[in-house]
Amino acid sequence: KNEVEQSPQNLTAQEGEFITINCSYSVGISALHWLQQHPGGGIVSLFMLSSGKKKHGRLIATINIQEKHSSLHITASHPRDSAVYICAATSFPPYYGGATNKLIFGTGTLLAVQP
Amino acid sequence: NAGVTQTPKFRVLKTGQSMTLLCAQDMNHEYMYWYRQDPGMGLRLIHYSVGEGTTAKGEVPDGYNVSRLKKQNFLLGLESAAPSQTSVYFCASSYSKVGTGDDEQFFGPGTRLTVL
Repeated sequence: KNEVEQSPQNLTAQEGEFITINCSYSVGISALHWLQQHPGGGIVSLFMLSSGKKKHGRLIATINIQEKHSSLHITASHPRDSAVYICAATSFPPYYGGATNKLIFGTGTLLAVQP
Repeated sequence: NAGVTQTPKFRVLKTGQSMTLLCAQDMNHEYMYWYRQDPGMGLRLIHYSVGEGTTAKGEVPDGYNVSRLKKQNFLLGLESAAPSQTSVYFCASSYSKVGTGDDEQFFGPGTRLTVL
C-alpha cells in the first residue's frame, strides 16, 4: 500500500461540474502539496497547506490532519482544467539524514473535462 | 526568467550507452532534485543537492550519478543505460529544503528517455 493514495485514478466530468479529488496518507507529514501536470508538459505547484483550507480562483484545497485526508476541489470546471493532479506529502520526521524532508508523491488523478 | 529548463527533451539510447541530462535554473535556488516518473507510480527521488558542490542519494539512486559544479546546474548521468531506466525524468529546484514553509518546488518540462 502506497503511503499516499489518491482517488479516483481517472475522472471524466462535463464542463461546469464541481470536481473533487481525494488524497489520503498514512505517514506523519508537515505539509501537503497539490500539483498539476498537463499532458506532455511540466509540473506546476498549485497549493501547499498544513491545515485548513486554501483557495485560488476556482481551485480549493482542504486538509484534515486528524483524518489524514486532503481534497482538491474544482468549481465550474472547464476543459482547460484537464490534467493530471498529483498529491504529495512532506514527510515528518526528516528523511535522508535530516538534510531534507521527503516528498512522497501519489500516483495522480487523470482528469478530463469534456465541453 | 526561464525558470527550470532541461535538455534534451527526448532521447533514445541503446543498452550500455551513456548520457547526461542537464538541468538549469535561474532562480538562485539552493536545492535541486532529480526525479523519475513511471506509469502507475508516483514521482521518485533519484538524487538531490542542497547547494553548489553537494549531492546526495534519494530513494532510487542506483545506476545514476549526479554533479553540481555550479549552483544553477544539476547534471544527471547514466553511465551504462539499462531498459529499466526508461522513464520520464524531471528536475526540480526550491529555495529552501523540503519541510520548511518556503519549499515550493519548481519543475522542469521533463526528459523522456527510452532505453532499447
